[in-house]
Amino acid sequence: SQQGEEDPQALSIQEGENATMNCSYKTSINNLQWYRQNSGRGLVHLILIRSNEREKHSGRLRVTLDTSKKSSSLLITASRAADTASYFCATVSNFGNEKLTFGTGTRLTIIP
Amino acid sequence: NAGVTQTPKFRVLKTGQSMTLLCAQDMNHEYMYWYRQDPGMGLRLIHYSVGEGTTAKGEVPDGYNVSRLKKQNFLLGLESAAPSQTSVYFCASSLTRVGATPLHFGNGTRLTVT
Repeated sequence: SQQGEEDPQALSIQEGENATMNCSYKTSINNLQWYRQNSGRGLVHLILIRSNEREKHSGRLRVTLDTSKKSSSLLITASRAADTASYFCATVSNFGNEKLTFGTGTRLTIIP
Repeated sequence: NAGVTQTPKFRVLKTGQSMTLLCAQDMNHEYMYWYRQDPGMGLRLIHYSVGEGTTAKGEVPDGYNVSRLKKQNFLLGLESAAPSQTSVYFCASSLTRVGATPLHFGNGTRLTVT
C-alpha cells in the first residue's frame, strides 16, 4: 500500500517560475524524504526532514512538513530545464516498520 | 566511487525462464534493498537486507528470492518469470537503518517477460 501521495500528478511550468509539489501521507512518521528521478535513471535523494522539523532548505529547494495535516511540500525556486524530472516523497513509519515507502510521484516539466 | 551498479540494464525473458539480477555497491553500506517500479504504482519494496547474510521480505516478495552472501552484493532471483514481473527493478543501499540516512539507487534493470 502507498503511504505517500503526491499532488499534482503532473506539472508544467515556464523556466524561471517556482514549482510546488505536495505530499500527503496516512500514518505517523519518523521523517519524510524527497527524491528526484530523471527519465531512465535511478532516484536521487534531495532532502530529509525529520518529524520535529517544520521547514528545511537546500539550495533552491525548500521543504515544509506539517505533521498535524500529515502533509509536506517541496518548492523549487527559479526552475531550470534540468529540473525536469519526477519527484517522489518517501516516508518511514514510526510503528517499528523501518521500511521506506514511496508515493507515486509528480512529473515536473520545465518549459524553456 | 561507482556507487550502486546494477546488471544487466535490460533483459527480455520468456514466461517460465529464470534469471538473476545483480547489484553491487562500493560504499560499504549495511542495508540494501530491491524495489520494483511500475507505472502509477510508485516504487514497491520486494526484499531487503540489513547486513551480510541477512534477508527479509518487503511488500511484494512473492515470485522473488534474494541472497546477500557478501556485504557489497545483493542478488535478486526470479525462478520462473511471469508477465506480471515485467517492470523496472531498482537496487538501493543505505549506510544505516532506513530513514536515518538516504538511499542510494542504481540506474535500474528494465525487465520484460513475454
